[in-house]
Amino acid sequence: AQSVTQLDSQVPVFEEAPVELRCNYSSSVSVYLFWYVQYPNQGLQLLLKYLSGSTLVESINGFEAEFNKSQTSFHLRKPSVHISDTAEYFCAVTNSGNTPLVFGKGTRLSVIA
Amino acid sequence: EPEVTQTPSHQVTQMGQEVILRCVPISNHLYFYWYRQILGQKVEFLVSFYNNEISEKSEIFDDQFSVERPDGSNFTLKIRSTKLEDSAMYFCASKPQVGSTDTQYFGPGTRLTVL
Repeated sequence: AQSVTQLDSQVPVFEEAPVELRCNYSSSVSVYLFWYVQYPNQGLQLLLKYLSGSTLVESINGFEAEFNKSQTSFHLRKPSVHISDTAEYFCAVTNSGNTPLVFGKGTRLSVIA
Repeated sequence: EPEVTQTPSHQVTQMGQEVILRCVPISNHLYFYWYRQILGQKVEFLVSFYNNEISEKSEIFDDQFSVERPDGSNFTLKIRSTKLEDSAMYFCASKPQVGSTDTQYFGPGTRLTVL
């Protein structure tokens, strides 16, 4: 069975500082990996995804994540965070197109002015 | 931009009562899901639905739960007799195509509180 571990439940960081949100997964087969973001009182929005090809994927708002098969990780990074990045971030995995997503517990990113 | 909508945003009910949570998926999407998140825990899969039938369900989705697409636009989750442990945020999601790795688009969720 697949599982996702997000080691940090809360990450406080000062504005303009770099941040890394960690995600590790376990799966015996090929995986597709996702990061979703949930802003207060909103639904889950896709931030970025890895399906195949380049192991480094980027979002339009400056986040990036790197698929590392040997370490079974898909950590999310941003070199300089903004107040508006304050949200809950969820890592998720699936191994085929229709099978449900398996989520981690989420990491609450709090950006401090 | 089209989005998944869910109503109500917050539902309070008494234990033992029936509740129906409503979702309107994006109009040309074919695959639908319900997930839930108990406070402080992971987002968990409940059920997926395609072509007017359940495609897959988790062990959480027992006989107290049912889903329906009654009119071609709504997608509902019914809990027949709610329990305290059903209190959670319930998310609906939809996906454009079958068999592809298209993104699942999520609604804002319905917070269900069972007293």
